[in-house]
Amino acid sequence: KAGVTQTPRYLIKTRGQQVTLSCSPISGHRSVSWYQQTPGQGLQFLFEYFSETQRNKGNFPGRFSGRQFSNSRSEMNVSTLELGDSALYLCASSLGRGEDNSPLHFGNGTRLTVT
Amino acid sequence: GQQVMQIPQYQHVQEGEDFTTYCNSSTTLSNIQWYKQRPGGHPVFLIQLVKSGEVKKQKRLTFQFGEAKKNSSLHITATQTTDVGTYFCAGSQPTGNQFYFGTGTSLTVIP
Repeated sequence: KAGVTQTPRYLIKTRGQQVTLSCSPISGHRSVSWYQQTPGQGLQFLFEYFSETQRNKGNFPGRFSGRQFSNSRSEMNVSTLELGDSALYLCASSLGRGEDNSPLHFGNGTRLTVT
Repeated sequence: GQQVMQIPQYQHVQEGEDFTTYCNSSTTLSNIQWYKQRPGGHPVFLIQLVKSGEVKKQKRLTFQFGEAKKNSSLHITATQTTDVGTYFCAGSQPTGNQFYFGTGTSLTVIP
């Protein structure tokens, strides 16, 4: 089985711009979660989608948004970029059956640098 | 809000020494998972603990879940250079499918 695929691997943007990141989950996985990883803050939960619906949301401003398509692929969008948004953005997929806590399978991440 | 603290933040050990990282939650957890992230890589799932007081072993790694389901530990016996990386715990509450990751423990093994 192919793993979780994230594109692009690297992005350089300037302040004020917006960016869209893409994630293709493992086949058969219906839950997709997004995390922001920075050296000082560790892994911070952004949101989780299941069957095209946002099921959980972390404490990030409204500039961070996402969506999930019918094929479970997900996109994450950040508008009006700030320098502090520079981070590794990780996508993780899981079976996500109901309320179970099946293991997360992470992609290689997208490294976003805001200048 | 939910907080998962992990200590220590960094640990340097000589190859062959043991290593332990501890994870503490401010609230009762439904279960806890452990992940390992190699330098430059992404987190990889190691194990999940569900029951109060549960202990699981994977070769040299021993995982424990506290009786109150608020803390957990990962112990590595006789570390090897292949153990290098950052170890994260991730807890979830009884409701919802959201994981709260600990801050991670970065392990360096000196040959």
